[in-house]
Amino acid sequence: ETGVTQSPTHLIKTRGQQVTLRCSSQSGHNTVSWYQQALGQGPQFIFQYYREEENGRGNFPPRFSGLQFPNYSSELNVNALELDDSALYLCASSSRDRGLNTEAFFGQGTRLTVV
Amino acid sequence: DAKTTQPNSMESNEEEPVHLPCNHSTISGTDYIHWYRQLPSQGPEYVIHGLTSNVNNRMASLAIAEDRKSSTLILHRATLRDAAVYYCILRDRSGGSNYKLTFGKGTLLTVNP
Repeated sequence: ETGVTQSPTHLIKTRGQQVTLRCSSQSGHNTVSWYQQALGQGPQFIFQYYREEENGRGNFPPRFSGLQFPNYSSELNVNALELDDSALYLCASSSRDRGLNTEAFFGQGTRLTVV
Repeated sequence: DAKTTQPNSMESNEEEPVHLPCNHSTISGTDYIHWYRQLPSQGPEYVIHGLTSNVNNRMASLAIAEDRKSSTLILHRATLRDAAVYYCILRDRSGGSNYKLTFGKGTLLTVNP
């Protein structure tokens, strides 16, 4: 089975711009979650998608949005970038079956730098 | 989500056992105890999880206190590749409709050669 892959691995954007990050989930997984990890901190939950619908959101503003596609891959979009958005963005896939969740498998992340 | 408390850092020597503690005094009866680790420049990696009984897998062992208010992740023989930040996380048994993981700062494990 293939693992979770994210693209790009690194990205530099200017304040005010928009960015799209991509994630291919592990084969057979129907749930994708996105996390933001600032330097020296643990990952913080942004939101989760289950079968193409948002299914839970952390404390992030609406300019953070996402999509999940029929093949369960996902995108994270951030509008009006701010300097504080500089972080490692992690995608995690898991599978939900009969209300129970498997463990999450994480990608290696996208390092976003906003200048 | 119930909170966990871990030491900021720990140090070990290669090929020695490592015991990583986690306190979770407000754990509820439906919370599983999960451990993830994050190696440098990588995403977190699942290590092990348990509910009440001690658990073993190829990576580690999880020892859970009888009152479930604390647990210990045991690496039986630390290697240099085990140097990472280890996170102890509580998760509701069913996960409900949301499988978010609430990470703290974790324990930075340093392994000396």
